[in-house]
Amino acid sequence: GENVEQHPSTLSVQEGDSAVIKCTYSDSASNYFPWYKQELGKRPQLIIDIRSNVGEKKDQRIAVTLNKTAKHFSLHITETQPEDSAVYFCAASIRGPNTGNQFYFGTGTSLTVIP
Amino acid sequence: DVKVTQSSRYLVKRTGEKVFLECVQDMDHENMFWYRQDPGLGLRLIYFSYDVKMKEKGDIPEGYSVSREKKERFSLILESASTNQTSMYLCASSGVRPQHFGDGTRLSIL
Repeated sequence: GENVEQHPSTLSVQEGDSAVIKCTYSDSASNYFPWYKQELGKRPQLIIDIRSNVGEKKDQRIAVTLNKTAKHFSLHITETQPEDSAVYFCAASIRGPNTGNQFYFGTGTSLTVIP
Repeated sequence: DVKVTQSSRYLVKRTGEKVFLECVQDMDHENMFWYRQDPGLGLRLIYFSYDVKMKEKGDIPEGYSVSREKKERFSLILESASTNQTSMYLCASSGVRPQHFGDGTRLSIL
């Protein structure tokens, strides 16, 4: 099955700096890659996603890049703010012919933005 | 807005008990999922269902079972709870994509 690896597990940045979180996946059939942000005590929330036919997607301070050849994708947060502090999860999804979507998650990155 | 509702935020049970965790979604999604979240291990899939009465094992199904009698409801069952099942349990649902999560149930087995 699919295997998603996420790095780093913890990340500290100064407010205003950029943060980058990287994920790799193993199954070339994966075709959808969402990123979730989970604040302490809250549910994971989708913050951005990318499909396999797109190389980059941006939404204000957040961007995601996808390299299908190398099977890796990354989350970029620019001009970080203290409220960006959270755990971030990447995921890879494979849509099977009879089984709907399956999602495979990375182990998470705890991001701390230091004021 | 999609709503995924888990029946309990916190639950305390004893070893050997049969435990039911309920999840309801209101978006007519075909797919529903149960995950377990532990520090340093991320989200691990226990079971998922892509249709009523259909279920598939995830990565860690041992000690768990599920039930999906109606499209909107997906139940996770701990047949005989053990202390190593103390964890945060998250339910999710999805249509074509993406996944929407419930608030989670923090389950403690004493």
